[in-house]
Amino acid sequence: EDKVVQSPLSLVVHEGDTVTLNCSYEVTNFRSLLWYKQEKKAPTFLFMLTSSGIEKKSGRLSSILDKKELFSILNITATQTGDSAIYLCAVRSGGSNYKLTFGKGTLLTVNP
Amino acid sequence: DTAVSQTPKYLVTQMGNDKSIKCEQNLGHDTMYWYKQDSKKFLKIMFSYNNKELIINETVPNRFSPKSPDKAHLNLHINSLELGDSAVYFCASSQGGGAAKNIQYFGAGTRLSVL
Repeated sequence: EDKVVQSPLSLVVHEGDTVTLNCSYEVTNFRSLLWYKQEKKAPTFLFMLTSSGIEKKSGRLSSILDKKELFSILNITATQTGDSAIYLCAVRSGGSNYKLTFGKGTLLTVNP
Repeated sequence: DTAVSQTPKYLVTQMGNDKSIKCEQNLGHDTMYWYKQDSKKFLKIMFSYNNKELIINETVPNRFSPKSPDKAHLNLHINSLELGDSAVYFCASSQGGGAAKNIQYFGAGTRLSVL
């Protein structure tokens, strides 16, 4: 069975701090890894990674994938209170059914 | 315009009742999904349809029955509701195909409370 493990499960920081969220996975026939941000409602898409070593960046957020070691990290620099959310990692494995397996998420709280 | 919309947003009902949740997407995607998010925020796939054909059917009680009248709609019907069905149910859609197209877009969720 495919498995996605995120750490830490929760994290409390102060505005301006830099955080690193971790995601490790065990899946058969890896296809892609996705990061989502979930505030009060729908998870919203952040990044999709398919190749090792290529950093994806959007503003203060960046992410990278290591397919050899089977993990990804999501970095947030200069955190703001608006970054407070659950960050979800999901992996798409082989087959034609487009199934995503999600981790349990990291709850990030950014205090002023 | 909401890309993936679910109705209702909140649903409070008694044990044993039958209820439906509707989902519509206007993104032109051909694949739709239902996820269940429990109280610990764990998001788990339940069903997926591609062009009206069921392609994912995880281990879900057969009280749950999805129905896709067309590729823009995927409804979820739940019979004989139980306390353990209380959760937030998310609908999502994606454009099938290669990895580059497999970004799933989520609706705002339906919070189901079974009393």
